[in-house]
Amino acid sequence: SQTIHQWPATLVQPVGSPLSLECTVEGTSNPNLYWYRQAAGRGLQLLFYSVGIGQISSEVPQNLSASRPQDRQFILSSKKLLLSDSGFYLCAWSGGLWGITEAFFGQGTRLTVV
Amino acid sequence: SQQGEEDPQALSIQEGENATMNCSYKTSINNLQWYRQNSGRGLVHLILIRSNEREKHSGRLRVTLDTSKKSSSLLITASRAADTASYFCATPTGKLIFGQGTTLQVKP
Repeated sequence: SQTIHQWPATLVQPVGSPLSLECTVEGTSNPNLYWYRQAAGRGLQLLFYSVGIGQISSEVPQNLSASRPQDRQFILSSKKLLLSDSGFYLCAWSGGLWGITEAFFGQGTRLTVV
Repeated sequence: SQQGEEDPQALSIQEGENATMNCSYKTSINNLQWYRQNSGRGLVHLILIRSNEREKHSGRLRVTLDTSKKSSSLLITASRAADTASYFCATPTGKLIFGQGTTLQVKP
């Protein structure tokens, strides 16, 4: 069966520090991968999505970047965090062609920038 | 940009009552999906309805889709306190875009 791992669950980082959040998927190949951010009590904002290794689409110009070094690994990074980067970050994957199947989510990372 | 928009933003009902949430979207779709999110957790897929379907059931969930009005509704019948969560619709238009969600509180 397919599983998705996202870590860490919580993170407190000072302003100006780097960030690396990792997401890995097991039990499937060539998944579509997504990074979302959710502000408190709000909906999900799509940050990045990837249809294959090295293929990253950015949705919102920001202080963040994403990489996909392996088929089932998706990394969200920042060189210097801002206070506004605080939020709940969710990784997800979907299979098949675009939009045909449902998405499966990790448990999320609560990032607080102080 | 948001593709799906849920209504109402918040809903509070008593256990045993039915809960109805609505979703409107803007462009043509192949399918529409509903998800649930418990506080502080990831989203869980509930049900997918294809564009050529008008209604779909899964347990206590009933989803309708009206492509002419570009809208969908999620009905939870005989609600339980455990149904307390946020509910989102999502429309895959080359990427999966979510609405702002409806926060449902079911009081015991």
